[in-house]
Amino acid sequence: KQEVTQIPAALSVPEGENLVLNCSFTDSAIYNLQWFRQDPGKGLTSLLLIQSSQREQTSGRLNASLDKSSGRSTLYIAASQPGDSATYLCADMRDTGRRALTFGSGTRLQVQP
Amino acid sequence: NAGVTQTPKFRVLKTGQSMTLLCAQDMNHEYMYWYRQDPGMGLRLIHYSVGEGTTAKGEVPDGYNVSRLKKQNFLLGLESAAPSQTSVYFCASNRPLDTEAFFGQGTRLTVV
Repeated sequence: KQEVTQIPAALSVPEGENLVLNCSFTDSAIYNLQWFRQDPGKGLTSLLLIQSSQREQTSGRLNASLDKSSGRSTLYIAASQPGDSATYLCADMRDTGRRALTFGSGTRLQVQP
Repeated sequence: NAGVTQTPKFRVLKTGQSMTLLCAQDMNHEYMYWYRQDPGMGLRLIHYSVGEGTTAKGEVPDGYNVSRLKKQNFLLGLESAAPSQTSVYFCASNRPLDTEAFFGQGTRLTVV
């Protein structure tokens, strides 16, 4: 059974710090990996999508990497801001017909002003 | 362009009652999904559909039924609600060759 694990479960940092969120998956035969942001009581906002053939994707202060051989992805947030406070979820999509996502349980980030 | 819209946004049910959650997408996507999210956990797949008229079970299908009579709509039904079905439900859609999934804003369901 495919599993996705996120470490740490919670993280608190002072404003301005660079930080890394980790995601690991058990099946290297993934189609892609996606990072989402979820604010309390809200839906999911897609941040970055990395195809299995790619090594990284960047959007503004966010950089996501993918290492299929080790079953790991990281989300790097540069110069964190209080507005970055949210739960970050990673999810992988295996190369199966249904194209459904398998989610980690998330990292709850708090950026202190 | 509304994307993925879920109805209702909130609902409280008594144990044993039934209800239907509606998901509508206007992106002409073939694939649609229902997930549930419980506190401290990621989303888990309940049921999915790869096209109009088709449905299939996901990881946690017990107690739920689904229908996909029209391509743009995916309905999730609870025939006899139980407190264990208290959760936040998310609908998502994507095209077979597109790899980005689009999510609705969620339905918060409480069963008392």
